[in-house]
Order: sequence, then structure tokens, then C-alpha cells
Amino acid sequence: AQSVSQHNHHVILSEAASLELGCNYSYGGTVNLFWYVQYPGQHLQLLLKYFSGDPLVKGIKGFEAEFIKSKFSFNLRKPSVQWSDTAEYFCAVTTGAGNNRKLIWGLGTSLAVNP
Amino acid sequence: EPEVTQTPSHQVTQMGQEVILRCVPISNHLYFYWYRQILGQKVEFLVSFYNNEISEKSEIFDDQFSVERPDGSNFTLKIRSTKLEDSAMYFCASSEEGIQYFGAGTRLSVL
Repeated sequence: AQSVSQHNHHVILSEAASLELGCNYSYGGTVNLFWYVQYPGQHLQLLLKYFSGDPLVKGIKGFEAEFIKSKFSFNLRKPSVQWSDTAEYFCAVTTGAGNNRKLIWGLGTSLAVNP
Repeated sequence: EPEVTQTPSHQVTQMGQEVILRCVPISNHLYFYWYRQILGQKVEFLVSFYNNEISEKSEIFDDQFSVERPDGSNFTLKIRSTKLEDSAMYFCASSEEGIQYFGAGTRLSVL
């Protein structure tokens, strides 16, 4: 069955530290890849997405992610985190062609950034 | 910026009761979804909806669940007879060009 794994469930960093959150998926065909963020008390927001083209994608708030097809991975990175990055981060994929595809989710990573 | 809105934010109900969770998708979106997240577990897909009919549903979405777009703006999820295990956060989403936009969720507590 298709699945998404996020390696880190809880991450605690100090401000200005670098961040990398791992995400792997299991599906051999066409995928669209997403990172969503949920700030405390807010709704899920799209951080960035990969559909095709350049495997290094840039999102909002200085986040980026790299799609490595051979490793089935889509890791999220940020060179220097801020206290305001404290949130829950979710990796998700859709599989196959077409726009009306369900999202398959990872468990999420809770990031706490200490000032 | 247009948003998906969900009401109520928190719903408490007794086991066996019917609940209706409401969502107003972004107005020009055509695809709609319901997901849920049980505490400590992954977000799970329930159902997708397009052109006034279900396009896909998961194993979770059994006969106790139904969806409706009653008036061209609202998109509702009905659970006919709630069970304790239906306690979860329920998220509505609508999509455009393959990107899903989410509401803030409804926390359903079944007692």
C-alpha cells in the first residue's frame, strides 16, 4: 500500500539552527509531493509542492525541499529557523495523474524552536 | 485571501447520535475532500467529491457516513450514528490545479 514516512516526530532546535525533516514515500509511479505546516491554532497551510521540473523547490518563509526520485524522498530544509517556525509539519503525496487525487499523509513532525 | 471555513470548531455528541459537520469550500473550486485525524495518528482520507458525486472513498467511509453539497456553497459530512472511535479532528479541503486548501477543522468528541 502507498505510504509516507516522516523520520522525525519531535524536533527541538534553537533559533538560527538549520533544519532538515525527512520524508520518504512508497510508490513507484507518478507522484506529486507536498509539505504542509500547521501553526498552533491555525489551519493546514501549503509550504511548498513538487509536481515536475526542477527537483529543488522553494516555498514560503525560506523553506525548500528536494525531490530525490531514486531515494523516494522529499526532505524539507531551512538554513536558519526562527521561533515563529514552531509548528507541526506534514509531508503528503498524491499518486497517479489527474487533479482530484487524495493526499496520503505522513505522521507529522512537531518542531519546537527555542528563542 | 479566500479560505475554507468549517463549523463548528468543536462538536461534542453522545454515542449513537447523528452529527453534521459543515464546510464552505473556496468559491471557484470544484473538488472537495474530507479527511480526519485521530489523536496521535496520521491524517486519513475519507472521501472526495466532484460534480455532485463521490469520486473516491476510503474503507473508513462506510454506510454511516455521507456527504452532500446541498446548496452550491456548503459541503457537509454526516455521520449517522456516531461511535466512540469517530472521535477525531475532521478536515475539509477544496482544491484547484492539484493543490488542496484546508479548513481549520472540526474536533468531534463522541462520549
